[in-house]
Amino acid sequence: DAKTTQPNSMESNEEEPVHLPCNHSTISGTDYIHWYRQLPSQGPEYVIHGLTSNVNNRMASLAIAEDRKSSTLILHRATLRDAAVYYCILRDRRAGNNRKLIWGLGTSLAVNP
Amino acid sequence: EAGVTQSPTHLIKTRGQQATLRCSPISGHTSVYWYQQALGLGLQFLLWYDEGEERNRGNFPPRFSGRQFPNYSSELNVNALELEDSALYLCASSLGTAPYNEQFFGPGTRLTVL
Repeated sequence: DAKTTQPNSMESNEEEPVHLPCNHSTISGTDYIHWYRQLPSQGPEYVIHGLTSNVNNRMASLAIAEDRKSSTLILHRATLRDAAVYYCILRDRRAGNNRKLIWGLGTSLAVNP
Repeated sequence: EAGVTQSPTHLIKTRGQQATLRCSPISGHTSVYWYQQALGLGLQFLLWYDEGEERNRGNFPPRFSGRQFPNYSSELNVNALELEDSALYLCASSLGTAPYNEQFFGPGTRLTVL
C-alpha cells in the first residue's frame, strides 16, 4: 500500500503563502492525491485532489511533480483559520479497489498573526 | 442539507464491555467509512462499507466490527473493550466508491474506556 510522508509541523505568518509538501515515492499510476485538513476539535474536511495536472480551487492549489512522486499544497494567503493538521493521502482510482486508506500523521500548520 | 451525523457524542464504558457507535451519512451517499483517531495521532482506517457490503478493512482485530443498513446508515461495534480503544471515532460518507469522491466527515464519537 502506497504511503505518504509529510513534515510533522510547519509555521507561517498570516497573509503569507504556505507550501505544504508531501512525498509519495511509491505512488502508482492509478492513485489520486487527496488533501484534507482537520481543524481543532473537528472532523477532517476535504481541501483538494488531483491526478497528474496541477489543480486550483477556492481553498488552495495543488502542484504535482512531473514524476508524481511528490506534491505540494499551496495556501496562497494563510489566515488564522487555516491553522490545522493537513493530511495528504492516496486513493486508487480503480473502481472497487480494496487498497487500504492510509492517512499518516499529517502536518500541523501554525499560523502566526 | 444535513451533514454526516454521529451518535452518541460521548460514550464512557469500562474494560470488557461492548460499545456501539452509529453514523448517518449524507442523503444519497452510499459509502460509509470508519476511522479511529487516538489522542495526538492521525486517522487510522477501520472499515469501509458501500451498498451494504464491507469493501475494505484496516489492521484492527476482529472485535471491531460493523454493518451498513439498507438506508446506508452504519453501526460500529467494539467488543471486549480495552483501555487503548479510547479514542475519537470518526465516520465519513461519500457519493459512491469512486476515488475522486471526497469524504465528508461527521463530528465524531469520543469513546472513553475506564
